[in-house]
Amino acid sequence: DTAVSQTPKYLVTQMGNDKSIKCEQNLGHDTMYWYKQDSKKFLKIMFSYNNKELIINETVPNRFSPKSPDKAHLNLHINSLELGDSAVYFCASSPSGGALSADTQYFGPGTRLTVL
Amino acid sequence: TQLLEQSPQFLSIQEGENLTVYCNSSSVFSSLQWYRQEPGEGPVLLVTVVTGGEVKKLKRLTFQFGDARKDSSLHITAAQPGDTGLYLCAGATEYGNKLVFGAGTILRVKS
Repeated sequence: DTAVSQTPKYLVTQMGNDKSIKCEQNLGHDTMYWYKQDSKKFLKIMFSYNNKELIINETVPNRFSPKSPDKAHLNLHINSLELGDSAVYFCASSPSGGALSADTQYFGPGTRLTVL
Repeated sequence: TQLLEQSPQFLSIQEGENLTVYCNSSSVFSSLQWYRQEPGEGPVLLVTVVTGGEVKKLKRLTFQFGDARKDSSLHITAAQPGDTGLYLCAGATEYGNKLVFGAGTILRVKS
C-alpha cells in the first residue's frame, strides 16, 4: 500500500489556469508538507500542517493556497498559474511536528507541473 | 536564512571507487539528514545524525556530523551502479521539522 500518494502524477496546463494537487497519507502521521523541487533539483519547503493547523508558511505567492480537510490529507491549490510555477511538487508527512530533532519525512512520488 | 552548501554538484565515477559528498553551513542545525532520490520518485531518508561528532554507518555508507553541528559528510566505499541517484542533505532548524535542503549531488556510478 502506498504510504504517501499524490494525484495527479503529471499536470500540463496553460498560463492563467487554476489547478489543484491532492495528497493523502495512510501512515497516521500528524504533520504534512508541500515542497517544490525546481529544474536544478533544489528542494524547498512551502507549507507544513500539523493536525490541520498551518505551522510553516514560507515566502510563497498567495496564489498558492494549501488546504487540510483532515490530518490525512493536504491539498495544494494554485491560482493564475505562471511559467515559473513549472516544477515537481512533493507532498510529505512525518509522525509529529515541532520536535527538536527532525522526524523522518516520508515523501510522495511527486507531481510534475508544466505550465505552457 | 540558514543555507546548506552541498558539494560536489555532480559526480561520475567507476564502480569500485570511493567518494565523499560534503554539506556545509555557517549555521548550527539541531540534526542533519541525508536523503537519496531516484528519478521519478520522492526522496527517501538514509540517516539522521543528531549529536556533534556522531558517525553512523549504513553498509558501505558512512555519515558524519561535524563537532559544531554545522557540517556533515557522506562517504561511500566501493561504489556500485545501484548507488546512482541524487543525494540530498537536509538540516533541521529551530522548528524541528522544518528542513533546509542542500542543492543535491547527482551521483552516477558506471559499471
